[in-house]
Parts: sequence; structure tokens; C-alpha cells
Amino acid sequence: KNQVEQSPQSLIILEGKNCTLQCNYTVSPFSNLRWYKQDTGRGPVSLTIMTFSENTKSNGRYTATLDADTKQSSLHITASQLSDSASYICVVSPNYGGATNKLIFGTGTLLAVQP
Amino acid sequence: ETGVTQSPTHLIKTRGQQVTLRCSSQSGHNTVSWYQQALGQGPQFIFQYYREEENGRGNFPPRFSGLQFPNYSSELNVNALELDDSALYLCASSRDSNYGYTFGSGTRLTVV
Repeated sequence: KNQVEQSPQSLIILEGKNCTLQCNYTVSPFSNLRWYKQDTGRGPVSLTIMTFSENTKSNGRYTATLDADTKQSSLHITASQLSDSASYICVVSPNYGGATNKLIFGTGTLLAVQP
Repeated sequence: ETGVTQSPTHLIKTRGQQVTLRCSSQSGHNTVSWYQQALGQGPQFIFQYYREEENGRGNFPPRFSGLQFPNYSSELNVNALELDDSALYLCASSRDSNYGYTFGSGTRLTVV
């Protein structure tokens, strides 16, 4: 079982609408949780990074939340644009042993924004 | 401030050959990680280098090897290429584990 699970697997929304992507993780303890946007065939681009003590972090139209008790995070996209079409990946950095720098990637959510 | 640069962007190799992929880390970053991303899958951790020493390795065979240079740039070498090695290879650099990782655009390797 993947230590970082995302839902939905894919999502189609109309331009201008809002959407929320979910991330459930079992990695514990962890150093930080990040959301990345990855366009097809390109490297991931960081959207937000939160430590275990942070509840929310915003970056323009992107707002990430974190509930360390339930081990859940969400990424909310406001007023979606066609350029938001991409894969969104939740990434957890564990904080145990010698693995502090090893990132654990979620399964990703493929978002398609239609005109 | 330059970002992470990977070369080449695309590469086609024949099964059994060897390949070297290169990565220039972002200015001020001393840690480089390499990931393999198969089509439609999430990136899988290959290994990480911190100040020229390997300090973490994923579940990849020894024919995947790496190197980090004094300027913190890095190479990923893959020997005896197999068809399943076809993937996007991503390099990411960071200043330390609590800072953001910056990813390169990747090298698309196709093994035929």
C-alpha cells in the first residue's frame, strides 16, 4: 500500500470553477508535506510546502491545508484556468532514520480544465 | 539564480548500452536527488547525494550509479540498459531537507 494516497485519480472541471484535491498519508513522523504541479513530460514545480505544525499555506490561487491528526492534506484551486491542467502530486518528506531527505510521492491527481 | 538544468532532454539507446545523464543543481544547493518516473506513474527515488557522498538509495539495482562533483552537479549512470529503464529521469536539488526541492525538466530516456 502506498504511503501517500491521493484522490480523485482524475478530475475534469470547467474553467473558472473551484476544485479540491485530497491527500491521505501514513508516513510518520514527517518533516514536511509539499504539493507539486507537473505538466506532462516536465519536472514537478513546487506549489506549497508545510511543516507538520502548519495548518494552511497559500500561493496565489492555490491553498493547501494540513491536518496532522487525521493525516490528511488538501489542495484547493480557486477560479481555475486552462493552464491549471496538469498532474498534482502530494509529496511527504519522512523524518526518521537516515531518510530525512527521501521524498515519498503520492499517486497524483490528473486535472483537466475545459473551456 | 539559475534553476536545475538537466541534459540531454531526450535520448534513445539500445538495450545493453550504457547511458550518462547530467544535472546542474540550483545555485546554493548541496543536495541532489535522482528519480525515475515511468509513464503515468509517480517518481521513484533512485538515490541522493549530499556534498559528494551518497546518503540514501532507493530500490534500484547496482547498475544504477551516480556521482556528485565539487560544484554539486551530478551524473546518473545506467549500465546494461533494459527496456523497462525507459522513463523520465528527474533530478532535484535542495539546500537541506527542510527546504523546497527544485526539480529539473527531466531527461526522457527511451530504450529500444
